[in-house]
Amino acid sequence: DTAVSQTPKYLVTQMGNDKSIKCEQNLGHDTMYWYKQDSKKFLKIMFSYNNKELIINETVPNRFSPKSPDKAHLNLHINSLELGDSAVYFCASSLGRSGELFFGEGSRLTVL
Amino acid sequence: KNQVEQSPQSLIILEGKNCTLQCNYTVSPFSNLRWYKQDTGRGPVSLTIMTFSENTKSNGRYTATLDADTKQSSLHITASQLSDSASYICVVSAGYQKVTFGTGTKLQVIP
Repeated sequence: DTAVSQTPKYLVTQMGNDKSIKCEQNLGHDTMYWYKQDSKKFLKIMFSYNNKELIINETVPNRFSPKSPDKAHLNLHINSLELGDSAVYFCASSLGRSGELFFGEGSRLTVL
Repeated sequence: KNQVEQSPQSLIILEGKNCTLQCNYTVSPFSNLRWYKQDTGRGPVSLTIMTFSENTKSNGRYTATLDADTKQSSLHITASQLSDSASYICVVSAGYQKVTFGTGTKLQVIP
């Protein structure tokens, strides 16, 4: 019974394509996040939503657009994929804005 | 600028040995500090949380310390096991929603 689940786990696509990654949490948390982990394993926050409202939007190209249909879901859509977008994307959730982060298993995106 | 630096970058130890990982931060104002363990191909999982008033906290074979004056934390692993092989990430919260991740220490435990 996975707490934070994201799909797909692996995604291989060509440059210029548009793709989406979905995330769902069943923990009853009110805050959800998207993180990007690069090849050096550094985790960097991209977006944060609290009760469906965008509260953090770091310096991320506007090709990346998050969407939160409800508190339990936060999806990430990426337009016009570039080689530099290749990374592992982690979804996370927390109770409150400074609570413990619960991460999903990650989605490895490879852009060819 | 808020920063979290970890050392060493990587570490190889023999099974059964102890090791200590370091975390130095310049995050202000300090709210709490967490250590996360990230197994290869998995998401990070929280090991401990330290608040300003706590000096030491244990979670099984993991013991975290915090010195708020020098802005340093350590994670000590006792009697290491092969399953301890992972990346360990120090994460410092500065008040409301401001979280800074360290670069991590990659630990490899060998038989």
